[in-house]
Amino acid sequence: DAKTTQPPSMDCAEGRAANLPCNHSTISGNEYVYWYRQIHSQGPQYIIHGLKNNETNEMASLIITEDRKSSTLILPHATLRDTAVYYCIASGYSGYALNFGKGTSLLVTP
Amino acid sequence: DTGVSQDPRHKITKRGQNVTFRCDPISEHNRLYWYRQTLGQGPEFLTYFQNEAQLEKSRLLSDRFSAERPKGSFSTLEIQRTEQGDSAMYLCASSFLGTEDYGYTFGSGTRLTVV
Repeated sequence: DAKTTQPPSMDCAEGRAANLPCNHSTISGNEYVYWYRQIHSQGPQYIIHGLKNNETNEMASLIITEDRKSSTLILPHATLRDTAVYYCIASGYSGYALNFGKGTSLLVTP
Repeated sequence: DTGVSQDPRHKITKRGQNVTFRCDPISEHNRLYWYRQTLGQGPEFLTYFQNEAQLEKSRLLSDRFSAERPKGSFSTLEIQRTEQGDSAMYLCASSFLGTEDYGYTFGSGTRLTVV
């Protein structure tokens, strides 16, 4: 699976949009971009995934650049409960060995 | 369905003892995964099952580790002759391999401390 690069930490004010970037310049054509998050002392939680089109669900939006070398996870109105480590993962469809890396620690402040 | 359950939540054991963890996946999920997470790191893949078949094992899974999933339902992960380096959070996840991908559902993990 392709390696991904994320900033180690970010801050966001409550109520504002949180934009979490991810670089995956070596992603192959059949690899998807998956996002998970992990709130302290819990297991990771699936958020969203996409191949090349932008995706939106009830939790977040995923914007993938046209060349697929980077993506952005958008939490449109961040709340304190969104404070977590966010992992961007490049993987084949329904991949079995996800490479989580260290992720981005997002702190949402009042 | 209450999601993925793991038991116990915490385990403290003496070095050299054997430990066993249990994972109950979401009932209709045909895939089950074990990951390990140490402090400050993301989860690392250990092994996975599709139904009852163990299809892949990471090189992290030494000979002291064994996992089973009898009848394709719950799974157990056993660590023999525990070492201090085995101290970690052991996470279980499940998913359904089908035409739609809804990602993994993780349990809350078993935190192992080897003293």
